[in-house]
Amino acid sequence: RKEVEQDPGPFNVPEGATVAFNCTYSNSASQSFFWYRQDCRKEPKLLMSVYSSGNEDGRFTAQLNRASQYISLLIRDSKLSDSATYLCVVTPASGGSYIPTFGRGTSLIVHP
Amino acid sequence: GAGVSQSPSNKVTEKGKDVELRCDPISGHTALYWYRQSLGQGLEFLIYFQGNSAPDKSGLPSDRFSAERTGGSVSTLTIQRTQQEDSAVYLCASSPAPNTGELFFGEGSRLTVL
Repeated sequence: RKEVEQDPGPFNVPEGATVAFNCTYSNSASQSFFWYRQDCRKEPKLLMSVYSSGNEDGRFTAQLNRASQYISLLIRDSKLSDSATYLCVVTPASGGSYIPTFGRGTSLIVHP
Repeated sequence: GAGVSQSPSNKVTEKGKDVELRCDPISGHTALYWYRQSLGQGLEFLIYFQGNSAPDKSGLPSDRFSAERTGGSVSTLTIQRTQQEDSAVYLCASSPAPNTGELFFGEGSRLTVL
């Protein structure tokens, strides 16, 4: 089982739609969680951290379910500019090297 | 600019040649990571430097790969006797402190081995 798994998509949605992605992780002792965004042929950039209580940043909401070992990203009122690949990132428990593990990403295409 | 700088941005080489990829992290960032990304694939961890600690080399795929970080700043990733399967985008990232999970990536070095 991969450490971090994501549905590769693509998710093809119209402007204004709400779309949600899930990501599952295998290490129950994982400590921190993040969503990164990667545009085509560009480097990944941090979108938002994911907190246990859930957190929101504008149109984006991230949630963590430790019991089921998944995190989610909800995008409301999708914009054309949201088209990108969304990478789920999980970090190990404290102790030892701190190596963020990236999922393969979920592709989102927002069309007019 | 003040971001992570990588060079070269593109490198085409012949199988069997050695290549060096350079990463200049954000000033003051103590943590430095190398990942690689093959076409359509996720990011594969290669090596991690944190301050003056011994690097975590657990992700290096073979002994043809090595990396160093001089003076806690610039890092060089060296691939000896390149193979076609080494073709990928090599991404460097730095972080202001360990255990933050907030990585700032460079634009990557695209390596093509013919």
